[in-house]
Amino acid sequence: GQQLNQSPQSMFIQEGEDVSMNCTSSSIFNTWLWYKQDPGEGPVLLIALYKAGELTSNGRLTAQFGITRKDSFLNISASIPSDVGIYFCAGLRGSQGNLIFGKGTKLSVKP
Amino acid sequence: DAGVIQSPRHEVTEMGQEVTLRCKPISGHDYLFWYRQTMMRGLELLIYFNNNVPIDDSGMPEDRFSAKMPNASFSTLKIQPSEPRDSAVYFCASSPGLGPYGYTFGSGTRLTVV
Repeated sequence: GQQLNQSPQSMFIQEGEDVSMNCTSSSIFNTWLWYKQDPGEGPVLLIALYKAGELTSNGRLTAQFGITRKDSFLNISASIPSDVGIYFCAGLRGSQGNLIFGKGTKLSVKP
Repeated sequence: DAGVIQSPRHEVTEMGQEVTLRCKPISGHDYLFWYRQTMMRGLELLIYFNNNVPIDDSGMPEDRFSAKMPNASFSTLKIQPSEPRDSAVYFCASSPGLGPYGYTFGSGTRLTVV
């Protein structure tokens, strides 16, 4: 089936460091979404990307829709302890259909 | 809007017992999804509904799992009989459509079967 490969699986960083994670696929996607899941909660949508090459920011978060449409990247600048959680990418093929989710990147931030 | 509401938040049950998980989607959202999250498999789509009608249940693991949506504001996921390997976090999500809208997730039900 369709798969999104998300990396890294986990990250342990110091407060103040920048973070990068990515999501790749062998298939083309028309929409990329990034979610964050806080411990004990459901995933919450952070950023949505709709066009190849698009770069979108939400505060300290910046996400990019890869030019090949087969990947997406999420960067977090100047991390803080509340950035802790699991970050999921999700992709949509075509204009309609179910979202395909990656397995997540677990972020730990040391104060 | 209160968002997607799931109950209970935690459920501990003995193997063989029936378990019912409940979900109230966001009003006006036509699509409702049930997901299961485990460390090994991540987020798995179990089933989704459109306007209360089940559309795709290919992710339901076994006949022990069943889901219903009797009206636009309520859905249940039932496991009967439950087994230890069913232990996971179960999420309900809703969306206004199938498309680039993103889904709104509930807070989940953590199920432990002992």
